[in-house]
Amino acid sequence: DAKTTQPPSMDCAEGRAANLPCNHSTISGNEYVYWYRQIHSQGPQYIIHGLKNNETNEMASLIITEDRKSSTLILPHATLRDTAVYYCIVREFQGAQKLVFGQGTRLTINP
Amino acid sequence: EAGVVQSPRYKIIEKKQPVAFWCNPISGHNTLYWYRQNLGQGPELLIRYENEEAVDDSQLPKDRFSAERLKGVDSTLKIQPAELGDSAVYLCASSKAAYQFFGPGTRLTVL
Repeated sequence: DAKTTQPPSMDCAEGRAANLPCNHSTISGNEYVYWYRQIHSQGPQYIIHGLKNNETNEMASLIITEDRKSSTLILPHATLRDTAVYYCIVREFQGAQKLVFGQGTRLTINP
Repeated sequence: EAGVVQSPRYKIIEKKQPVAFWCNPISGHNTLYWYRQNLGQGPELLIRYENEEAVDDSQLPKDRFSAERLKGVDSTLKIQPAELGDSAVYLCASSKAAYQFFGPGTRLTVL
């Protein structure tokens, strides 16, 4: 079973920041938070991951609370191409374990 | 760098017929995964290979599903015979470290 809880859907206006929450209250000390997204008719795409510090890359920022029980993925300037299902996953960094997907959040960017 | 290649992209068959899916992973990726994604759900792992060896096939319905990864590169997933409930998207992914890269998937429709 997935170890995360996400809202089933969200809307955001184009050009605004999209903030996607995720709860992972049972995360263990050696587990990372990963975010993937899946655009319609494509396979999932890696976005970002983090352990306890905030992370930023060219796609997004990841904010993890101090107690690590929740996190927020931020798309700073959402575009129509960011419309997708976003999955928050917790797993160990090492090794090649499977990804356990929940149902994700369906993010719709509106013009 | 080429991504994960899958074929066919779409397949429509009648129940009780056999079907096969092919995957070519990213060059140099030793780990290969097959996931199944039902409509409206996140992907679920069917089998994971480390080189030629299937190291996690606990979720593969072995009565009708089979998979192989000859020479530790390409992989084939087969269903024989197909049932109506097998209609889904079958995703192949590969990884070298902790990041999984997904192909576009094969959408199977069983009539």
